[in-house]
Amino acid sequence: NAGVTQTPKFQVLKTGQSMTLQCAQDMNHEYMSWYRQDPGMGLRLIHYSVGAGITDQGEVPNGYNVSRSTTEDFPLRLLSAAPSQTSVYFCASSKGTGVGYTFGSGTRLTVV
Amino acid sequence: TQLLEQSPQFLSIQEGENLTVYCNSSSVFSSLQWYRQEPGEGPVLLVTVVTGGEVKKLKRLTFQFGDARKDSSLHITAAQPGDTGLYLCAGAGESGGSNYKLTFGKGTLLTVNP
Repeated sequence: NAGVTQTPKFQVLKTGQSMTLQCAQDMNHEYMSWYRQDPGMGLRLIHYSVGAGITDQGEVPNGYNVSRSTTEDFPLRLLSAAPSQTSVYFCASSKGTGVGYTFGSGTRLTVV
Repeated sequence: TQLLEQSPQFLSIQEGENLTVYCNSSSVFSSLQWYRQEPGEGPVLLVTVVTGGEVKKLKRLTFQFGDARKDSSLHITAAQPGDTGLYLCAGAGESGGSNYKLTFGKGTLLTVNP
């Protein structure tokens, strides 16, 4: 079992560029989320999904898009990268409410 | 305003000492989760507590959910260097809201010195 797989692990973007952070899970979990982790700010929810075809916004959704076409995949798209989006991004999945999330190992993104 | 306040923010102790980390809120949560994160890795779930007053033990770690489901604590007995890491609490279902959305505290960075 691979769990939650995030790619790439590291990425440097120029301001204005777009990119997609990939997230895949092989545990047949319905719930998936994207978080960003910044020093002094903790983990903040960007977008989440409760199943294929269903997504919703979290605490800090601006500048990011998501889609959930399959149960396994939940990509995060940066439309036009800004230095404020420099952060570590985590994808997580869960099989149900109240049972906890499994996190990927993160993508460290730098926007210059 | 931080919905979940964790204290202390930093903690450095010697091997063998006991410690308690607190997670407090003015809101009621349907469940609270505790995670441990090591450098360069994602958080790893330690425990989920769902019932007010619930106590769960995981070897030398004891987790408690407050009676009013607004706060939680993590107690480590006889800490070891392997316990070093960032401890995060996370609440779900804040004030009757969505159970799918987790709100995290800022974390407690624990260092256990040999």
